[in-house]
Amino acid sequence: GAVVSQHPSRVICKSGTSVKIECRSLDFQATTMFWYRQFPKQSLMLMATSNEGSKATYEQGVEKDKFLINHASLTLSTLTVTSAHPEDSSFYICSAENQGVGSPLHFGNGTRLTVT
Amino acid sequence: GESVGLHLPTLSVQEGDNSIINCAYSNSASDYFIWYKQESGKGPQFIIDIRSNMDKRQGQRVTVLLNKTVKHLSLQIAATQPGDSAVYFCAENMVKGGANSKLTFGKGITLSVRP
Repeated sequence: GAVVSQHPSRVICKSGTSVKIECRSLDFQATTMFWYRQFPKQSLMLMATSNEGSKATYEQGVEKDKFLINHASLTLSTLTVTSAHPEDSSFYICSAENQGVGSPLHFGNGTRLTVT
Repeated sequence: GESVGLHLPTLSVQEGDNSIINCAYSNSASDYFIWYKQESGKGPQFIIDIRSNMDKRQGQRVTVLLNKTVKHLSLQIAATQPGDSAVYFCAENMVKGGANSKLTFGKGITLSVRP
């Protein structure tokens, strides 16, 4: 089945640094990828929609200059958390939409970000 | 605003029993629904989906029921096993032009299976 790979699975960084998270669709092309954020014992909250070859669409309240998204190819989207702070610590999950009509979204295994 | 929500935060069942997880949705325009299972430290895993032109769909040990009249979705797991222990999310999606749009997730319910 369709596989979405997310890297790294865990990252610890110091406050003020930037962290890049990669999301790859391994066996299908994805014109659209989605980035979610999940706090402990809470649901997934959509942050932004990543569109190949164009600018990402951010949800209300998500700072586009804080969370930079690049979707340069049909199999790769990246999320960069810039100038990270402890409150950015969270579980970040990406999903990819197979271009096949009506197929469900496939999710990566998430990235646990801890900012110290 | 409209949202997807779940009735119960936790559900504890005996191994071998059937589990029923319920979900209420409020967006009457939603026409595609998905159940996901999320294990600790992992991303959501697709379980089963259903479109609004159906009221029931069966998979392996799982059944999804959709009641559009009362905007209710349920996931039934037969012969629940310890490996079914996880958090379950319902999600809704308005299918536009045949392609998926972004998902709205419910709050999640933890299923705990007692040995």
